[in-house]
Amino acid sequence: DIQMTQSPSSLSASVGDSVTITCRASQSISNSLNWYQQKPGKAPKLLIYAASTLQDGVPSRFTGSRSGTDFTLTINSLQPEDFAVYYCQQSYNSPDTFGQGTRLDIK
Amino acid sequence: EVQLVESGGGLVKPGGSLRLSCSASGFSFSTAWMSWVRQAPGKGLEWVGRIKKKSDGEITDYAAAVRGRFTISRDDSKNTLYLQMNSLQIEDTAVYYCTWYYYDRLNPWGQGTLVTVSS
Repeated sequence: DIQMTQSPSSLSASVGDSVTITCRASQSISNSLNWYQQKPGKAPKLLIYAASTLQDGVPSRFTGSRSGTDFTLTINSLQPEDFAVYYCQQSYNSPDTFGQGTRLDIK
Repeated sequence: EVQLVESGGGLVKPGGSLRLSCSASGFSFSTAWMSWVRQAPGKGLEWVGRIKKKSDGEITDYAAAVRGRFTISRDDSKNTLYLQMNSLQIEDTAVYYCTWYYYDRLNPWGQGTLVTVSS
């Protein structure tokens, strides 16, 4: 199975800050990497697919990028509603696998 | 509007069985690949499995942790996805989400149904 190593596991930031979350795949997954946001008690929500394509309705302050097997999610100008848990997911090979998650808290 | 509504969760003893259902609306269910994802209390997301559409042979794939115990099926006439869970273990306790496996991404998700395995 493809392993997805997500870092950091948690981080604290303030409204207006920019943050970056990274996922590293254990092998090449092309661009088959998606990012999700999950708020407490809610189902995950798709933010970015195919490494860098913004899902409809997601604010442009969210961006995704790829460098080889490293993928990053950047959130610019953090808003109060962005404090949540973020997961990456590879869909290149079955079984799909998720990163461990990154909890983004308000500093 | 696409909607996915899970049902069937509850309390079950170790070794027991449970069948979850996911009622779909707002899209062409019969042409959709569908997935189940679970989340143990306080933990991250874990992909459970996937079923392809009928024209793709309704092929199923499973995570190693559930392979041989869980079965995903679908009834396109009822726009319903199922997850049959047998030989349940305590570590299967989780919220189970149904989701549309749309072009290699999971979107949208249902609200989830809680399965608790406990004696």
